[in-house]
Amino acid sequence: DSGVTQTPKHLITATGQRVTLRCSPRSGDLSVYWYQQSLDQGLQFLIQYYNGEERAKGNILERFSAQQFPDLHSELNLSSLELGDSALYFCASSVVGDQPQHFGDGTRLSIL
Amino acid sequence: QQQVKQSPQSLIVQKGGISIINCAYENTAFDYFPWYQQFPGKGPALLIAIRPDVSEKKEGRFTISFNKSAKQFSLHIMDSQPGDSATYFCAASSSYSGGGADGLTFGKGTHLIIQP
Repeated sequence: DSGVTQTPKHLITATGQRVTLRCSPRSGDLSVYWYQQSLDQGLQFLIQYYNGEERAKGNILERFSAQQFPDLHSELNLSSLELGDSALYFCASSVVGDQPQHFGDGTRLSIL
Repeated sequence: QQQVKQSPQSLIVQKGGISIINCAYENTAFDYFPWYQQFPGKGPALLIAIRPDVSEKKEGRFTISFNKSAKQFSLHIMDSQPGDSATYFCAASSSYSGGGADGLTFGKGTHLIIQP
């Protein structure tokens, strides 16, 4: 158990909809990272937050956004969903300035 | 542009043998190189990691070899066991001033099967 909690584990929705994925980092970790894993693109870094502020951006679509709250949990919001957004979404956390990143078990998003 | 190239895509090794997975990177700003193991239905779990100031790091049956001049690093799994059957990912990231580190850039993964 990595200590990173992601909910829900599975999410099924339709094209055009909006969903919110939630992540609770390990106790003491200030930084949260979001990744997308798909068969064609592999594991891709989306965005990083540190202590409530956006720190780095990767291959995140404009339809996607995230935030980190004062209690350090983070949410990834995906809107105007398309079939190609079907993937596993992982959250990872770390102590800033010191790796490693510890991953949760992901949310599997299926777009019908 | 794929910044971390991983090979082979799949690998079959006999129990007790040595599994070797290779990665090459392009970005010279990378300064942290972890390997992750992923089982079906689970998130990636850190196995071992190395920074460029050392050429080799060993933890139990797992060894990373690092060649900074060639911009290559590899994972060796000694005495491979059926329980090691999983997908392995190499990754890289760079630190930035003021503390913190960028997101990880992952290789495409290697599906490893250890035959009993």
